[in-house]
Amino acid sequence: SAVISQKPSRDICQRGTSLTIQCQVDSQVTMMFWYRQQPGQSLTLIATANQGSEATYESGFVIDKFPISRPNLTFSTLTVSNMSPEDSSIYLCSVRAGLAYEQYFGPGTRLTVT
Amino acid sequence: GQQLNQSPQSMFIQEGEDVSMNCTSSSIFNTWLWYKQEPGEGPVLLIALYKAGELTSNGRLTAQFGITRKDSFLNISASIPSDVGIYFCAGTKEETSGSRLTFGEGTQLTVNP
Repeated sequence: SAVISQKPSRDICQRGTSLTIQCQVDSQVTMMFWYRQQPGQSLTLIATANQGSEATYESGFVIDKFPISRPNLTFSTLTVSNMSPEDSSIYLCSVRAGLAYEQYFGPGTRLTVT
Repeated sequence: GQQLNQSPQSMFIQEGEDVSMNCTSSSIFNTWLWYKQEPGEGPVLLIALYKAGELTSNGRLTAQFGITRKDSFLNISASIPSDVGIYFCAGTKEETSGSRLTFGEGTQLTVNP
């Protein structure tokens, strides 16, 4: 498994501003992922953060809104840009570690946009 | 949208009872994973399944990878109050590449002492 931390754990932001969420892993991992979990909902994959190349975004998510950095094998950031109340969600970082397709999740960042 | 049908959506049980939940899909899956999420936390991996027919236990939890590769179930025996949480199934589909996980909608479990 892997130990994953996220900062901040929660934030309340004004609409129109941006927030950068950090994800730190205790070991080097090839694949890191960012998910969104809207209130009372399941998890939706935003993008795969690739080290040394641009992130791969899922349908419905674009780089201008959710720019991602992956400067090394233990760290990634997700920025939520030009926020609106609809962006209020839990944002989760995960990594692929262990056997095959096992993914481990961070504790999440709880974002409220007012 | 989600392509995994998870049921039931919620369960209210008494402490000591056994619990069963399942996920089904029209797609073939290579991997099934079961997670538990408690309030204010990220999902925690409970069990991972990699072969059709595989039956794996983790303490009081048992999960199986369906023979058709289109379904999986999770059983919890002798439930206790700390089993409360949302249980998600997730899997990697045969027709997609990489590690993209598809998640079910979750089963909210409430255990009454």
